[in-house]
Amino acid sequence: GEDVEQSLFLSVREGDSSVINCTYTDSSSTYLYWYKQEPGAGLQLLTYIFSNMDMKQDQRLTVLLNKKDKHLSLRIADTQTGDSAIYFCAAMYSGGGADGLTFGKGTHLIIQP
Amino acid sequence: DTGVSQDPRHKITKRGQNVTFRCDPISEHNRLYWYRQTLGQGPEFLTYFQNEAQLEKSRLLSDRFSAERPKGSFSTLEIQRTEQGDSAMYLCASTQGRALHFGNGTRLTVT
Repeated sequence: GEDVEQSLFLSVREGDSSVINCTYTDSSSTYLYWYKQEPGAGLQLLTYIFSNMDMKQDQRLTVLLNKKDKHLSLRIADTQTGDSAIYFCAAMYSGGGADGLTFGKGTHLIIQP
Repeated sequence: DTGVSQDPRHKITKRGQNVTFRCDPISEHNRLYWYRQTLGQGPEFLTYFQNEAQLEKSRLLSDRFSAERPKGSFSTLEIQRTEQGDSAMYLCASTQGRALHFGNGTRLTVT
């Protein structure tokens, strides 16, 4: 089945760019997602990209997809304290019929003043 | 706000008791998902509905778990004879396309 890997922690200074990386194993994954989760809350959809795209930009967020290497990244420009959260990468797979998402374990983004 | 709504937000129960959670999806979203999230992990898929039909169940969903979506709108997830290992956040999500929108979850604590 699909496996999604992320590093557990990332620490950046306020105002710098944050780059959160993710790798996945199933090359048939059709859509790839980034979600944000703040303490005690559900998951907020940030953005998603179709697998035939290389890049998607939405305000301070830039998603890069390297389909050959099965590598996805999320860049947050001008990181603010409000960006402190856990960021989950997820892949949508077509096998199994559920069209459900497989999530990584999440990357804790820590903002230093 | 017309986001995904889950009730209750928190539930504390004793081992062996039954619990039921409710999810109200975004209106007109025909697909509804239940996920479970334990501490330090990403959400794990439990089950999926298209309208009122339950089309997929994970192996994580033991016989003690049952989910329904009787009229294709709200859904319930029931856990019978709860065990301490059932303690987790139960998340509901809905979609009509490719963007799954999650509720704030129900945090279950089994003592």
